[in-house]
Amino acid sequence: GQQVMQIPQYQHVQEGEDFTTYCNSSTTLSNIQWYKQRPGGHPVFLIQLVKSGEVKKQKRLTFQFGEAKKNSSLHITATQTTDVGTYFCAGRGGGTSYGKLTFGQGTILTVHP
Amino acid sequence: KAGVTQTPRYLIKTRGQQVTLSCSPISGHRSVSWYQQTPGQGLQFLFEYFSETQRNKGNFPGRFSGRQFSNSRSEMNVSTLELGDSALYLCASSSTLTDTQYFGPGTRLTVL
Repeated sequence: GQQVMQIPQYQHVQEGEDFTTYCNSSTTLSNIQWYKQRPGGHPVFLIQLVKSGEVKKQKRLTFQFGEAKKNSSLHITATQTTDVGTYFCAGRGGGTSYGKLTFGQGTILTVHP
Repeated sequence: KAGVTQTPRYLIKTRGQQVTLSCSPISGHRSVSWYQQTPGQGLQFLFEYFSETQRNKGNFPGRFSGRQFSNSRSEMNVSTLELGDSALYLCASSSTLTDTQYFGPGTRLTVL
């Protein structure tokens, strides 16, 4: 079945440093989504990427979808303490049927002031 | 619009019991998905319902079941509870226009 691997599992940075998390699917995806979960909270949608090679930006966050639609990355420039949380990617299976949405294990980001 | 609501928020059960969790999606959303979240396993997909039909199912034993009603509200049931079922159970709804998952606050289930 479809698997979505996400690395790293943990990332500790100093405030102001950059951060990147990577997501890799075992199968081609119809779309990939990114979510952020603050400690004690629930996942909140950040963005969805659909097209091969797509790049989207939200202020300091840059999201990329690979050419083969099997991998993705989230890059945060100049982290702030408000960026603390767990970042999940979620891949929607491709093909003719409406595939499952499979979440990666998540990357726990800690930002030291 | 009101967000996704889940009841109850916290639940304590003993092994062997069964439990029913409820989820009310955002008004107008017809798709409801359930996830189990544990520290060691991350977010595991349980099942997805659309217009009262199960559209997708994760790799969980038959003790985990769900259903969706005509008003899109959904319930999941876990029978013969095991200690390993202790987790945060999250429900998410989405509209037919986008694939965005809107999560509820979750139900924290503790099995003793």
